[in-house]
Amino acid sequence: AQSVAQPEDQVNVAEGNPLTVKCTYSVSGNPYLFWYVQYPNRGLQFLLKYITGDNLVKGSYGFEAEFNKSQTSFHLKKPSALVSDSALYFCAVSRPYGQNFVFGPGTRLSVLP
Amino acid sequence: KAGVTQTPRYLIKTRGQQVTLSCSPISGHRSVSWYQQTPGQGLQFLFEYFSETQRNKGNFPGRFSGRQFSNSRSEMNVSTLELGDSALYLCASSPNPRGEQSRPSTDTQYFGPGTRLTVL
Repeated sequence: AQSVAQPEDQVNVAEGNPLTVKCTYSVSGNPYLFWYVQYPNRGLQFLLKYITGDNLVKGSYGFEAEFNKSQTSFHLKKPSALVSDSALYFCAVSRPYGQNFVFGPGTRLSVLP
Repeated sequence: KAGVTQTPRYLIKTRGQQVTLSCSPISGHRSVSWYQQTPGQGLQFLFEYFSETQRNKGNFPGRFSGRQFSNSRSEMNVSTLELGDSALYLCASSPNPRGEQSRPSTDTQYFGPGTRLTVL
């Protein structure tokens, strides 16, 4: 069965510092991985996805993620955090059939000024 | 293009009542999925519709149902509401132009703002 883990409930980082939000996955077959962000009282916004190819994926708002097959990880990164990046971040993997995802539990990112 | 829209945004009901939520996908998107988000259970998949047919279903009781219309708009219905049904209900649409479902999808899902349901 597909599963996604986000080992940190909360990540705190100072503005201007690099940030990393961790994600590990367990799938059978090729993993199709996604990152979404959720701001208060809003739906999920797509950041980036890994399907195949280059292990470093670049996405919206300066975010990028590194796919590591041997460590079954897909960590989200940003070189310089902004206060406006403070939000809830979800990692997701496609389920075996159809248009739906298994989501991780989410990581709350707080960027401190 | 306009994004995914959901109505209403907020809803308050009492136990035992039923509720219908509506979702309009991005124009041209044929697949609509529904998710329930709660603090305790996180984001859980409810069901997915394509061409007016339910293709996939999550592990929810039969009180949760849905449908899709010919214009791809979708509704979900919850009957005999329970306190535990209080949640944010999210709708997502994806292109799925070939209607594939036999393998994991590479399509991006685009989410609406959600409907916040409170059951008293």
